Amino acid sequence: DAKTTQPTSMDCAEGRAANLPCNHSTISGNEYVYWYRQIHSQGPQYIIHGLKNNETNEMASLIITEDRKSSTLILPHATLRDTAVYYCIVSFTGTASKLTFGTGTRLQVTL
Amino acid sequence: NAGVTQTPKFRVLKTGQSMTLLCAQDMNHEYMYWYRQDPGMGLRLIHYSVGEGTTAKGEVPDGYNVSRLKKQNFLLGLESAAPSQTSVYFCASSGGSLGDTEAFFGQGTRLTVV
Repeated sequence: DAKTTQPTSMDCAEGRAANLPCNHSTISGNEYVYWYRQIHSQGPQYIIHGLKNNETNEMASLIITEDRKSSTLILPHATLRDTAVYYCIVSFTGTASKLTFGTGTRLQVTL
Repeated sequence: NAGVTQTPKFRVLKTGQSMTLLCAQDMNHEYMYWYRQDPGMGLRLIHYSVGEGTTAKGEVPDGYNVSRLKKQNFLLGLESAAPSQTSVYFCASSGGSLGDTEAFFGQGTRLTVV
């Protein structure tokens, strides 16, 4: 699986958009980009994933560059409840695929 | 719908003791995983299973064994606990290849080995 690089921490004001970057320059053509988050010490929670096209759901938007070497997770209106560690993961399709977590980005949303 | 349930939630073991952590999912998922998370670190894969009766090693399998006798259950065993196995353990399940499905995680088991 391709490795990812994320900033260690970021701050965001409540109500503003949070833009979390991720570099995955060695991503392969059939690897998806996944985002998960972990609030405090809870189990990780799925946010969104994509292959090539930009994706949006009720939680966030995922913007993947045309060359697929980087992506950005966007939380359009961050709230205090969005304070968490955000993990960017790339994963193959296939029967033996599995998630490989790095250390993620610690997002602190402030008043 | 319970999702992924881990038992127990907390446990303190003495060095050398054994125990089994149970993970149960009610979503009929094929894939199940055991991770550990040490303070300030990301999750590391211990073992995983791609279906009933199958298991495979992950990144940090030493000192652990697993079994998947029933599709809905994935057991993680520590035969002789060591202080280095003090950690938070998370179980996860997914419907299939993680290339096109999301994983669901349990709430974790906090294990302390003294």
